[in-house]
Amino acid sequence: DIQVTQFPSTLSASVGDTVTITCRASQGIINGWLAWYQQKAGRAPKLLIYQASTLENGVPPRFSGSGSGTEFTLSITSLQPDDVATYYCQQFTSYPWTFGQGTKVEI
Amino acid sequence: QVQLRQWGAGLLKPLETLSLTCGVSDGSFSAYYWNWIRQPPGRGLEWIGEIRHSGSTIFSPSLRGRVTLSLDKAKKQFSLNLTSVTAADTGLYFCARAVYDGSGSLDSWGQGTLVTVSS
Repeated sequence: DIQVTQFPSTLSASVGDTVTITCRASQGIINGWLAWYQQKAGRAPKLLIYQASTLENGVPPRFSGSGSGTEFTLSITSLQPDDVATYYCQQFTSYPWTFGQGTKVEI
Repeated sequence: QVQLRQWGAGLLKPLETLSLTCGVSDGSFSAYYWNWIRQPPGRGLEWIGEIRHSGSTIFSPSLRGRVTLSLDKAKKQFSLNLTSVTAADTGLYFCARAVYDGSGSLDSWGQGTLVTVSS
């Protein structure tokens, strides 16, 4: 199985800050087949980014993804109160699909 | 815009079978792959398995042997059965649609079903 390590586990920042979350895979992720999700408390996850850097329709452009190989990042610029949530990455290179442990973003 | 709506029993006793169903509306059923994911209380997401339109399935190794996935093409529904549940199976269960068009993602999710296993 591909292990996905996500850090930090918790992140506290101020409105307007830029924050970065990192996912590191135990094996190379082929063709950037990695997605990022946002999950608010008690809700289903919401797709933010796929193929490492492609923004899902309707997602604000303050969210961006980058990376290749084994290291990927999600950045949120100009952090907003609505961005309070837990963020997960997920690899789609090989089954079983695996998620990072999650990063809780607080303001 | 596709919508996934899921339902099933939320309270089970140990060794009972968990059964959940997810209905798909407003979208193609045959062009996508259908997944189940769960989340223990206060913890992260765990992938359970996937069923393709052909009926072929693939599961997480940790659950293989206890999990069955099925689909009803006519009703545009797919289902999860997990046998011999224990307290460790307590959590929020989600259905989701997988898209593999140049990349992979779970782009639509059900609302989630809280399943509690308790004697």
